[in-house]
Amino acid sequence: AQTVTQSQPEMSVQEAETVTLSCTYDTSESDYYLFWYKQPPSRQMILVIRQEAYKQQNATENRFSVNFQKAAKSFSLKISDSQLGDAAMYFCAYRAPLQGAQKLVFGQGTRLTINP
Amino acid sequence: DVKVTQSSRYLVKRTGEKVFLECVQDMDHENMFWYRQDPGLGLRLIYFSYDVKMKEKGDIPEGYSVSREKKERFSLILESASTNQTSMYLCASRPGGEKLFFGSGTQLSVL
Repeated sequence: AQTVTQSQPEMSVQEAETVTLSCTYDTSESDYYLFWYKQPPSRQMILVIRQEAYKQQNATENRFSVNFQKAAKSFSLKISDSQLGDAAMYFCAYRAPLQGAQKLVFGQGTRLTINP
Repeated sequence: DVKVTQSSRYLVKRTGEKVFLECVQDMDHENMFWYRQDPGLGLRLIYFSYDVKMKEKGDIPEGYSVSREKKERFSLILESASTNQTSMYLCASRPGGEKLFFGSGTQLSVL
């Protein structure tokens, strides 16, 4: 079974600085998708960024970028120029494309605090 | 805008009660999911449905059942609530594409 591990339960960063959240996963599949979701205090989960495993280029969405290392099964999220609104729980998630209904497997989450 | 609505934001129930958590989506999505979220464990899949009246067990289905009589509504049922079912419950839906749309969650306390 696929597993996703986030080894940092909590992280903090100064406003305007850069922070990297770690994620590793275990799979025997060669084709799959990886995601980072953000859950602010409102509890509404928001998709931050996604990566297809067959793409070598790292995904980027404005201040959010990933470092995807397929051989190492690592998928870290970098947040540049951190803002107070980035404070949230961040979840890494994995999905294999051919599983029934394509369910997501989530990591344990990392709580990110932004210090003003 | 896409909307997934969970009927209650907070819920308090007694041990042994039958509990219904309701989720409605207005996007005509085929796939719907129920997750529970616990500190240190992340989100774990309880049940999912890929069509009306169709359901499949997720990773932790014990103690739960589901119902999907209409496409827009997916209900999670706790037949006899227990204290270890105190948790945050998140409903989500998805069309054929990649993106999951989540509700705002129901924080359930079983006393």
